[in-house]
Amino acid sequence: DAKTTQPNSMESNEEEPVHLPCNHSTISGTDYIHWYRQLPSQGPEYVIHGLTSNVNNRMASLAIAEDRKSSTLILHRATLRDAAVYYCVGSGGGADGLTFGKGTHLIIQP
Amino acid sequence: DTGVSQDPRHKITKRGQNVTFRCDPISEHNRLYWYRQTLGQGPEFLTYFQNEAQLEKSRLLSDRFSAERPKGSFSTLEIQRTEQGDSAMYLCASSLDGTLRETQYFGPGTRLLVL
Repeated sequence: DAKTTQPNSMESNEEEPVHLPCNHSTISGTDYIHWYRQLPSQGPEYVIHGLTSNVNNRMASLAIAEDRKSSTLILHRATLRDAAVYYCVGSGGGADGLTFGKGTHLIIQP
Repeated sequence: DTGVSQDPRHKITKRGQNVTFRCDPISEHNRLYWYRQTLGQGPEFLTYFQNEAQLEKSRLLSDRFSAERPKGSFSTLEIQRTEQGDSAMYLCASSLDGTLRETQYFGPGTRLLVL
């Protein structure tokens, strides 16, 4: 399994960038790094994923370290609606089931 | 809405009763996954289907749990003789073909409370 380690919580101000770190030192060469977020009482929502290169989409950017042992999810301009638990997830858990950790609880202050 | 749907959204039952949950994946998706999530934890993988075939079961899936996907479309998860420790959110997800880079799309979950 590609186990991940994230801070329990982070706090940021509205309209400021947010950098959410994740360590995945046991990741294998073929494991993708996925990020999901979960709002209260909802299922996880896909944010972004990548393998080796940095990735951008309309929601966020993903910066992957050259050794692939860590990555950072970047929200360029946080809004109150971005307050959620963010999960960094390694794929390739043998059964193709995603292996979630406890995630980072992101708090956005107005 | 063409996303993953789950029914019911909430279920309260007494210990020892059987419960069944349903998941309707995104229509063209071949893979269907079940996860369980307890308070303060991330989702834990339970089992998955490739079309109608159940290909993997987690050690978390005790003999009281059974899942089916008879026609390769919707799936059901049944828990027999429920215990208080079964109280959790049960999440269903689907993906197109299950490659390592494939995105899984989650439903809203069924929250189970066993009294």
